[in-house]
Amino acid sequence: EVQLVESGGGLVQPGRSLRLSCAASGFTFDDYAMHWVRQAPGKGLEWVSGISWNSGSIDYADSVKGRFTISRDNVKNSLYLQMNSLRVEDTALYFCAKDPRGYTSGWYVDWGQGTLVIVSS
Amino acid sequence: QSALTQPASVSGSPGQSITISCTGTSSDVGDYDYVSWYQQYPGKAPKLMIYEVSNRPSGVSDRFSGSKSGDTASLTISGLQAEDEADYYCSSYRSRRVMFGGGTKLTVL
Repeated sequence: EVQLVESGGGLVQPGRSLRLSCAASGFTFDDYAMHWVRQAPGKGLEWVSGISWNSGSIDYADSVKGRFTISRDNVKNSLYLQMNSLRVEDTALYFCAKDPRGYTSGWYVDWGQGTLVIVSS
Repeated sequence: QSALTQPASVSGSPGQSITISCTGTSSDVGDYDYVSWYQQYPGKAPKLMIYEVSNRPSGVSDRFSGSKSGDTASLTISGLQAEDEADYYCSSYRSRRVMFGGGTKLTVL
């Protein structure tokens, strides 16, 4: 059974940093691209970033480009999101999601339960 | 503003059919057959209902179907049931990125 467990969320002041993690199990992690998708309170889904199986292809939404960095450790079966220069509008539930292929195909069967990031002074 | 446009809400009575539209551009919905649909209940992770325009994952009811014409994709739910009341999101691949619609709240009357 695929399991994706996010962690690292919390309350942080604007301008500060936070690092999210996603621990994966139940599948061969280094075969698949992975993504972060977020959802602000009461709002819709927003794709944040994706990384290919070998980290050779990385992409970001315009809203986070230059501030967020996605990475993965295929030995530890983990996905990360380093979030710098956080803004109030980054407040959201952050989901980790597994792509069905090694490169972005844009759809996800498997999702984590999310980790909540609140950016507030 | 969301990259893909969905109606904010739709409603229908039990047993009826409803269709939710998802309008993109020639750079996303119109250019790729990587359109998917998700169902989401409050406080829960999204659930994939349709992928690659019209394919249903294992375990998803055949009451759910997807289609696409030009830059617009559609999700049809037939034989509406009370449990179908939820938020629905479309998404599309676009040049190594993923775009989501703003979401549609389905109310079963």
